[in-house]
Amino acid sequence: DAGITQSPRHKVTETGTPVTLRCHQTENHRYMYWYRQDPGHGLRLIHYSYGVKDTDKGEVSDGYSVSRSKTEDFLLTLESATSSQTSVYFCASNKDGNTEAFFGQGTRLTVV
Amino acid sequence: AQSVTQPDIHITVSEGASLELRCNYSYGATPYLFWYVQSPGQGLQLLLKYFSGDTLVQGIKGFEAEFKRSQSSFNLRKPSVHWSDAAEYFCAVATNSGNTPLVFGKGTRLSVIA
Repeated sequence: DAGITQSPRHKVTETGTPVTLRCHQTENHRYMYWYRQDPGHGLRLIHYSYGVKDTDKGEVSDGYSVSRSKTEDFLLTLESATSSQTSVYFCASNKDGNTEAFFGQGTRLTVV
Repeated sequence: AQSVTQPDIHITVSEGASLELRCNYSYGATPYLFWYVQSPGQGLQLLLKYFSGDTLVQGIKGFEAEFKRSQSSFNLRKPSVHWSDAAEYFCAVATNSGNTPLVFGKGTRLSVIA
């Protein structure tokens, strides 16, 4: 299996605080993605990256920013966490946009 | 841009019965198609994929899927469902250029009853 890890796996934070989630992959994949998963909404793409310093917005990007300074790391930042951002966040990566994507185990974020 | 529709949000089948999960895509050229499974509390795992060639593809855990260009569909099937197949299933589509990200459907939750 591809090595893709997310940290932390669980986090509880207060409304208004910044939060950063980390995704690390060891496969030298070009593409990396952040999704959120909520009941009734499936997987929704937040942001993705197609190379170092190359990122683009997904369908639910408001309130989130990302950075990719190295091929292996893709950071997701909630600039000022809100209760609506309580969710399970998944990171994924693939070699190219049309190859198999490998997923991390997810981060359960609770904003109180 | 490509898109995916999974018409069924939730399906319940009896153990031992056959299963078909529907997936329809929208893309102008021949797509790359995937089915993923997510067990509770886990990340997504690839079941099978279609790139070209034989339109009936075999995957892991006894699953298969058939690409039908005329119907823009890539339905997932299993002849006999096991209780351990209860999970959420996602269809995904990619372009043949590989220069755009994978697009996932909203998922179908499968429940298996005795």
